[in-house]
Amino acid sequence: EAGVVQSPRYKIIEKKQPVAFWCNPISGHNTLYWYLQNLGQGPELLIRYENEEAVDDSQLPKDRFSAERLKGVDSTLKIQPAELGDSAVYLCASSLGGPGEQFFGPGTRLTVL
Amino acid sequence: SQQGEEDPQALSIQEGENATMNCSYKTSINNLQWYRQNSGRGLVHLILIRSNEREKHSGRLRVTLDTSKKSSSLLITASRAADTASYFCATSTRSGSARQLTFGSGTQLTVLP
Repeated sequence: EAGVVQSPRYKIIEKKQPVAFWCNPISGHNTLYWYLQNLGQGPELLIRYENEEAVDDSQLPKDRFSAERLKGVDSTLKIQPAELGDSAVYLCASSLGGPGEQFFGPGTRLTVL
Repeated sequence: SQQGEEDPQALSIQEGENATMNCSYKTSINNLQWYRQNSGRGLVHLILIRSNEREKHSGRLRVTLDTSKKSSSLLITASRAADTASYFCATSTRSGSARQLTFGSGTQLTVLP
């Protein structure tokens, strides 16, 4: 069974440029999460989807971040414009729902110069 | 914000020794999970313990949970060099969304051959 797929794995951009990350969850997983992980820290939730509905986006900086999950499968997270402080690893995870195990992708390491 | 706090922040042991990591949290939980993250990779689920359980085993892993002290410990027995990774506890809280995990800042474990 394929795991959570994320692309790109690495991205280097200059500040004020836009950037987008893509995630394909495990087949059949209706719940999808985007996390932000700073160096030396644990992941912090940005947004959670139940199918195509964003049910928890309280931690998403909505002035520059946006996300979508069309058709309730793949998801895209966008930053526009990027700032130096956005340099981090962006993790996508999926689950069957409920309070159990989440399955993580390898992450996208973003560097903003 | 991070609900769980791991202790120690870093741990270095010799191969074959046991490694113990602790996690403290602040609010009532539905369950507590431990994840491992190898350098440059996503998180991998290790074990889940429910709030009404006190101890759980999985292979060389032993997890305990003390809800009165709001703490958990992860014991890895007979450690191997391949166990070198960061270990995170994550709490699924009762008061918030049962599907949201809040991660601690992690323990960096180094197992020396």
